[in-house]
Amino acid sequence: GENVEQHPSTLSVQEGDSAVIKCTYSDSASNYFPWYKQELGKRPQLIIDIRSNVGEKKDQRIAVTLNKTAKHFSLHITETQPEDSAVYFCAASWGNQFYFGTGTSLTVIP
Amino acid sequence: DAGVTQSPTHLIKTRGQHVTLRCSPISGHKSVSWYQQVLGQGPQFIFQYYEKEERGRGNFPDRFSARQFPNYSSELNVNALLLGDSALYLCASSEPGGGTDTQYFGPGTRLTVL
Repeated sequence: GENVEQHPSTLSVQEGDSAVIKCTYSDSASNYFPWYKQELGKRPQLIIDIRSNVGEKKDQRIAVTLNKTAKHFSLHITETQPEDSAVYFCAASWGNQFYFGTGTSLTVIP
Repeated sequence: DAGVTQSPTHLIKTRGQHVTLRCSPISGHKSVSWYQQVLGQGPQFIFQYYEKEERGRGNFPDRFSARQFPNYSSELNVNALLLGDSALYLCASSEPGGGTDTQYFGPGTRLTVL
């Protein structure tokens, strides 16, 4: 089955700085890579996603890059704000089966 | 426009008991997936159902079962509960469009097994 690794497990940045979270996957059949933000006690919320036919996607302060050859993808958050503090999960999917990373706890220090 | 709903919100059971969790997908969504999220970990895939048929199963024991109803709502059943079954159980719905579809999560059911 698919194996998704996520790093780092914790990340602290100063407000206004950038944050980068990286994931690798094992199954070359995976073709969809969403990122979810989960605040304490709340449901995971989709923040951005990318499909295997695209190398990069951007939505305001959030961007995702995908390197299919190396089987890794990354989340980039620029101009971080305190409300960005949360746990972020990456996932890799094929055939509607989703495999999640272990999460990154991001803290943005005001 | 209602999102994915789940019931109950919280549940406390003892070892050996049985539990049923319920999920209603977003209106128009025909696919429901179930996940187990242990504290500090990412969600682990349990089942996916589409049009009342099981389309995928994760690495979980046979104590876990599920079904989907004609209105696309779903139930997850867990028999012979173990302490290790304590977790947040998440349901996600999606609208299959021929490829891998975006999943939207419900708020989850927090199960505690004593």
